[in-house]
Amino acid sequence: NAGVMQNPRHLVRRRGQEARLRCSPMKGHSHVYWYRQLPEEGLKFMVYLQKENIIDESGMPKERFSAEFPKEGPSILRIQQVVRGDSAAYFCASSLATSGYEQYFGPGTRLTVT
Amino acid sequence: TQLLEQSPQFLSIQEGENLTVYCNSSSVFSSLQWYRQEPGEGPVLLVTVVTGGEVKKLKRLTFQFGDARKDSSLHITAAQPGDTGLYLCAGPPGAGNMLTFGGGTRLMVKP
Repeated sequence: NAGVMQNPRHLVRRRGQEARLRCSPMKGHSHVYWYRQLPEEGLKFMVYLQKENIIDESGMPKERFSAEFPKEGPSILRIQQVVRGDSAAYFCASSLATSGYEQYFGPGTRLTVT
Repeated sequence: TQLLEQSPQFLSIQEGENLTVYCNSSSVFSSLQWYRQEPGEGPVLLVTVVTGGEVKKLKRLTFQFGDARKDSSLHITAAQPGDTGLYLCAGPPGAGNMLTFGGGTRLMVKP
């Protein structure tokens, strides 16, 4: 499967726990993006990363959220001390370096905070 | 107020009908993308339009980018139940790579 991989597909966390979402980009893609889709709302940009670098995190809340894309391994979106309002679908997308506007999305991780 | 406004928000039609979905902005975009999203899945990229006035066809789907690169349309000919889904337009609002999305058009094609 050469597409964008995300895991887990579904994640249930209690308030105050940590959520860790993983994303492996398409083969050959070096740029990764995270988006959030709240219930009944559209997709909103969170953060844009290249290997070992955060390029743009303007859409990511300053508190409790962090993202990384290490030299080896998947990109990780971490949410600490989750609250009910964090319940959403989180999508990862990837692109080639030469055409960042053409982004291919993974199937998403659906986070439910109880 | 969304940077990209899509209309209509909902569309329910019979199999075999034609339809057009619109994506409008007051801003110029360097490119626009159209995606289709099914429940429980991620958006699937259908097409990218880059040049003002550009027309691209994908089987029964025709995509057009406005001359001023502020709007786009998606026309489906002879819709089929398999076309049912959420259609999203998106584009980079500035020089960066982040995409801003329209609110989507939810299409249902009844057999």
